[in-house]
Amino acid sequence: EVQLVESGGGLVQPGRSLRLSCAASGFTFDDFAMHWVRQAPGKGLEWVSGIGWNSATTGYADSVKGRFTISRDNAENSLHLQMNSLRAEDTALYYCVRSNHAHLSGTIWFDPWGQGTLVTVSS
Amino acid sequence: ETVMTQSPATLSVSPGERATLSCRASQSVRSNLAWYQQKPGQAPRLLIYGASTRATGIPARFSGSGSGTEFTLTISSLQSEDFAVYYCQQYNNWPPITFGQGTRLEIK
Repeated sequence: EVQLVESGGGLVQPGRSLRLSCAASGFTFDDFAMHWVRQAPGKGLEWVSGIGWNSATTGYADSVKGRFTISRDNAENSLHLQMNSLRAEDTALYYCVRSNHAHLSGTIWFDPWGQGTLVTVSS
Repeated sequence: ETVMTQSPATLSVSPGERATLSCRASQSVRSNLAWYQQKPGQAPRLLIYGASTRATGIPARFSGSGSGTEFTLTISSLQSEDFAVYYCQQYNNWPPITFGQGTRLEIK
């Protein structure tokens, strides 16, 4: 069974940092690009960042560019999101999602999704 | 950025009836569109990709159509488990990958 399990969320003050992780199992991790998608409370979905199978390519939403860094460890089957300079508007449930192929290019849809980890930015 | 607009925001339909949800793109996305279903307290689930291809395990009552800027998700005979929020997502013009704001399908 394919599983994605996020961790690392919590309450953090504005301007501070947080590192999210996603543990993947049930599939060959380095066969797929991976992404983070977030959902603010009661709101819709927002793509945050993606990374290709070998980490050679990454992409970011403008809202997080320069503050967030995506990375992966294929030996550990894990995905990470380093979030710096956090703002109140970063408050959201962060989902780890698998892409449909290895590359950060071409057609991209998301399946499956983890259950998410909640990040709350507040003083 | 390609803006995705879904309509209506809320759709009230009786069980057993047909539901038709719309998604419009601000510029052509060809057939590079996916649909997701999200139930309360759950993560989204992929329903449709390539505008019309059902994902693995998705019942045949779900169908997608359209290309360019106009897309439709149809649920032919609503079951109780289909009442949820539905999102469209384009992957033709990215970054960024963009989603619609969602349509809430509720029981009439």
